[in-house]
Amino acid sequence: EVQLQESGPGLVKPSQSLSLTCSVTGYSITSNYWGWIRKFPGNKMEWMGYISYSGSTSYNPSLKSRISITRDTSKNQFFLQLNSVTTEDTATYYCARYVNILWTFDYWGQGVMVTVSS
Amino acid sequence: DIQMTQSPASLSASLEEIVTITCKASQGIDDYLSWYQQKPGKSPQLLIYDATSLADGVPSRFSGSRSGTQYSLKISRPQVDDSGIYYCLQSYSTPYTFGAGTKLELK
Repeated sequence: EVQLQESGPGLVKPSQSLSLTCSVTGYSITSNYWGWIRKFPGNKMEWMGYISYSGSTSYNPSLKSRISITRDTSKNQFFLQLNSVTTEDTATYYCARYVNILWTFDYWGQGVMVTVSS
Repeated sequence: DIQMTQSPASLSASLEEIVTITCKASQGIDDYLSWYQQKPGKSPQLLIYDATSLADGVPSRFSGSRSGTQYSLKISRPQVDDSGIYYCLQSYSTPYTFGAGTKLELK
């Protein structure tokens, strides 16, 4: 069974970087696409970006140059880095698999809540 | 960006009703539309993909349809367990965008 698990600090100071890891079991990240999605307080959802089976990336322009998604295929993990965070980046962060057959996200991690506060 | 206008924001329904939630896309999205259910403290669960296809393990009381650029999720004779927040997602073009969500309460 495909399983995803996010990990990382739950508290980040403003202006610092947010770094999260998504560990995947039951499926290789060298197939399909692997994304990050966040849910803000108040329930708004935002697609942040993804990394493909080949390592190419696509990002939401709203995040401009603050975002980077990378991977370690030897550990079957992919990563999110979001720089220069503000309180508006406080959200629950999810990693998810995007599968071309369905053209959507089918497996999601449980989510990790990240608060940006001094 | 493609805007997904979802309505209603919330609704309360009885177990005998047919519940309908809609998402209108700001442009054509070629049925690259999926629906999710999210319960408190849980991750979103895929219900419908390709606008009308039922995801594995999802009860047949859930169904999806399209009329023009408006997409609908219908729940026939909902169960108490169907309470939660429902989202649509367009994956036609990046940035992928979600609807604002519909909070469903069953009474």
